[in-house]
Amino acid sequence: GENVEQHPSTLSVQEGDSAVIKCTYSDSASNYFPWYKQELGKGPQLIIDIRSNVGEKKDQRIAVTLNKTAKHFSLHITETQPEDSAVYFCAARDPGANNLFFGTGTRLTVIP
Amino acid sequence: GAVVSQHPSWVICKSGTSVKIECRSLDFQATTMFWYRQFPKQSLMLMATSNEGSKATYEQGVEKDKFLINHASLTLSTLTVTSAHPEDSSFYICSVGRADQPQHFGDGTRLSIL
Repeated sequence: GENVEQHPSTLSVQEGDSAVIKCTYSDSASNYFPWYKQELGKGPQLIIDIRSNVGEKKDQRIAVTLNKTAKHFSLHITETQPEDSAVYFCAARDPGANNLFFGTGTRLTVIP
Repeated sequence: GAVVSQHPSWVICKSGTSVKIECRSLDFQATTMFWYRQFPKQSLMLMATSNEGSKATYEQGVEKDKFLINHASLTLSTLTVTSAHPEDSSFYICSVGRADQPQHFGDGTRLSIL
């Protein structure tokens, strides 16, 4: 089955700096890669996603890049703000079953 | 607005009690819903796929007699933790999403078994 690895597990940045979180996946058949933000005591919230036919996608301060050949994708957050502090999860979807395989999460702390 | 509604948000009960958690799809009719479990500071682990009108599909290692899933309508799936014990204490989260569309998660249910 699919195996998703995520790094780093914790990340601290100064407000205004950029943050980058990286994930790798094992199943070359996976074709959809969402990123979720989870705040304490809440369910994960979708912040951006990318499909395998696209190399990059941007939404304001958030961008995701995908390298299918290398089987890795990354989340980029620019001009970080304290409210960006949360746990971020990457995921890959099995195209046949529609279920998601999650990375281990990254706890991002933005220092004011 | 919210796509998924999950209830209750927090349950505390005695060991041996059965607990039912509801997951409602608010925006569309969901033939499939997913149930995840998340232990503190860990990732989400898929427990089972709930299928409307048929039996749920459980992931390896998840006891189907322990975690009963019912998906009787296109907008409601329930997870019942039967005879819960302290080791069942966790954060249970459901998600909905059409095939080839993003999945959206409920706000989770924190289950604490004393």
